[in-house]
Amino acid sequence: KQEVTQIPAALSVPEGENLVLNCSFTDSAIYNLQWFRQDPGKGLTSLLLIQSSQREQTSGRLNASLDKSSGRSTLYIAASQPGDSATYLCAVPGRLNFNKFYFGSGTKLNVKP
Amino acid sequence: GAVVSQHPSWVICKSGTSVKIECRSLDFQATTMFWYRQFPKQSLMLMATSNEGSKATYEQGVEKDKFLINHASLTLSTLTVTSAHPEDSSFYICSAPDRGFGKLFFGSGTQLSVL
Repeated sequence: KQEVTQIPAALSVPEGENLVLNCSFTDSAIYNLQWFRQDPGKGLTSLLLIQSSQREQTSGRLNASLDKSSGRSTLYIAASQPGDSATYLCAVPGRLNFNKFYFGSGTKLNVKP
Repeated sequence: GAVVSQHPSWVICKSGTSVKIECRSLDFQATTMFWYRQFPKQSLMLMATSNEGSKATYEQGVEKDKFLINHASLTLSTLTVTSAHPEDSSFYICSAPDRGFGKLFFGSGTQLSVL
């Protein structure tokens, strides 16, 4: 069974700092990996989707990398802002059912003004 | 991007009552939808897969008679928590994948509080 782990569980940084969130998964045979943002009491917003053939994806100040062989992905946030404060989750689809996603427990980010 | 609408956003009910949560795909058809539950400070746990026109598939440990799922059309799936108890209090979120495999689109979630 796929297991997804995220570290750190929580992170507090001053505004303007660059930061890295980590995600690891036990089964490297993944089709893709997706990063989400969740605000308190809200649903999830998709940030970036990396296909298994890709090594990274970028969207604005966000850059996600994928190393399938080592079972790792990182989400890099440049020049963090208070509005970036949220919980960030990574997820990978199952090997047999690629519509069934396995989620990490998330990293709760607080960017202080 | 695709939009998934979920209602209600929050509900408070008495123990023993049933609560229905709706999940709609607004601008695309979803033959499959997923229902997740999230307890405070924990990640999402998949409860069941809702399949249009057929029975839902439940994850291990999820009571299908407790959590009734109906996917009557290509744009609507409902989750009914029957005879709710305080331990059912949680955040419930639905999601639907885009065509093929790839991105998951989520509803805004429903916070259920059972008194």
